[in-house]
Amino acid sequence: DSGVTQTPKHLITATGQRVTLRCSPRSGDLSVYWYQQSLDQGLQFLIQYYNGEERAKGNILERFSAQQFPDLHSELNLSSLELGDSALYFCASSVEEFLSYNEQFFGPGTRLTVL
Amino acid sequence: GENVEQHPSTLSVQEGDSAVIKCTYSDSASNYFPWYKQELGKRPQLIIDIRSNVGEKKDQRIAVTLNKTAKHFSLHITETQPEDSAVYFCAAFKAAGNKLTFGGGTRVLVKP
Repeated sequence: DSGVTQTPKHLITATGQRVTLRCSPRSGDLSVYWYQQSLDQGLQFLIQYYNGEERAKGNILERFSAQQFPDLHSELNLSSLELGDSALYFCASSVEEFLSYNEQFFGPGTRLTVL
Repeated sequence: GENVEQHPSTLSVQEGDSAVIKCTYSDSASNYFPWYKQELGKRPQLIIDIRSNVGEKKDQRIAVTLNKTAKHFSLHITETQPEDSAVYFCAAFKAAGNKLTFGGGTRVLVKP
């Protein structure tokens, strides 16, 4: 157990819908990262927050958004869902802002299925 | 942006043999290279990493080498065991932009 929690574990929804994935980082970690893992795209970095502020952006679609709250938990919002959004979404956390200075720990993931 | 190529995509080895996975990156500004192991249905876990000021790092049966000039790095697993069976991902990190770019993954199967 990495100490990072994600809810829900599984999510099944229909195209066009909106969902929210939640992540709680390890105690003391200020950085939260979101990743998408799909069969055809592999692991892709989406976005990073550090102490409530957006720090880095990867291949995140405009239909997706995220935020980090004062208690440091984070939410990833996915809207106007398409079949291709079906994937495993991981959250990870680390103490520092830059990965080269510290390890990131992954949560168990949320499996999203869009029908 | 950064592009990371990883080879091979699948690797089957006999228990006790060595396994080698190779990655190349495109951006010379990348300075941190972690390797992750992901068992079936589980989360990725960091197994070893190397920074650009180091050429080689070893931790028990696993080692990573980095060639900055050629922009490639490799993971070496010696004396493989069935529990080494998993998907391994290499990644490259660049401080400017603070982004981690992953390779496509290598599925390793260790046959007993």
